Amino acid sequence: EDKVVQSPLSLVVHEGDTVTLNCSYEVTNFRSLLWYKQEKKAPTFLFMLTSSGIEKKSGRLSSILDKKELFSILNITATQTGDSAVYLCSVTSGTYKYIFGTGTRLKVLA
Amino acid sequence: EPEVTQTPSHQVTQMGQEVILRCVPISNHLYFYWYRQILGQKVEFLVSFYNNEISEKSEIFDDQFSVERPDGSNFTLKIRSTKLEDSAMYFCASRPGHPYEQYFGPGTRLTVT
Repeated sequence: EDKVVQSPLSLVVHEGDTVTLNCSYEVTNFRSLLWYKQEKKAPTFLFMLTSSGIEKKSGRLSSILDKKELFSILNITATQTGDSAVYLCSVTSGTYKYIFGTGTRLKVLA
Repeated sequence: EPEVTQTPSHQVTQMGQEVILRCVPISNHLYFYWYRQILGQKVEFLVSFYNNEISEKSEIFDDQFSVERPDGSNFTLKIRSTKLEDSAMYFCASRPGHPYEQYFGPGTRLTVT
């Protein structure tokens, strides 16, 4: 059965801290891994990773994929209260199917 | 910037009733999806739709569910006879052929009483 596991389930940090969120997966026919941020409602896209070892970066956020060990990490440096959200990892299995993890709930305290 | 839209934002229905949730995907996208998220739980894949037919569906997507793209712009999810456990947020998403990133709509909160 395809599965995506995220850790930790929740995290509380102070502004300025750096956090690392983890996503491991077991899927048949892996195509890509995606990170989303979910605040109040719909997930918003952050990164898509298809190749091992290539870091994707956007401002204070970065992510990398290890296809041999079947995991990805999402790093957030110099966290701000606006980073408080649920971070979702999703993996595509084949062309059509996306499997989501349970998410990591991040709370950043001022 | 183009976006996926969904209507209604909130629907309340009685058990056993039929509901239709509507989505307008981004116009040049080719792949369409429905997901549900029960409160406090993870996003669950329901169905994908491509080239006017279902390309993949999950175990959740049983005979009470159906999807349609009736007019080339709308994409609908019908739940034939709602149950209490169908109460959830339903998200529509679409993506272009490549890359694989999806764009989500704001969701419809379905409450079955």
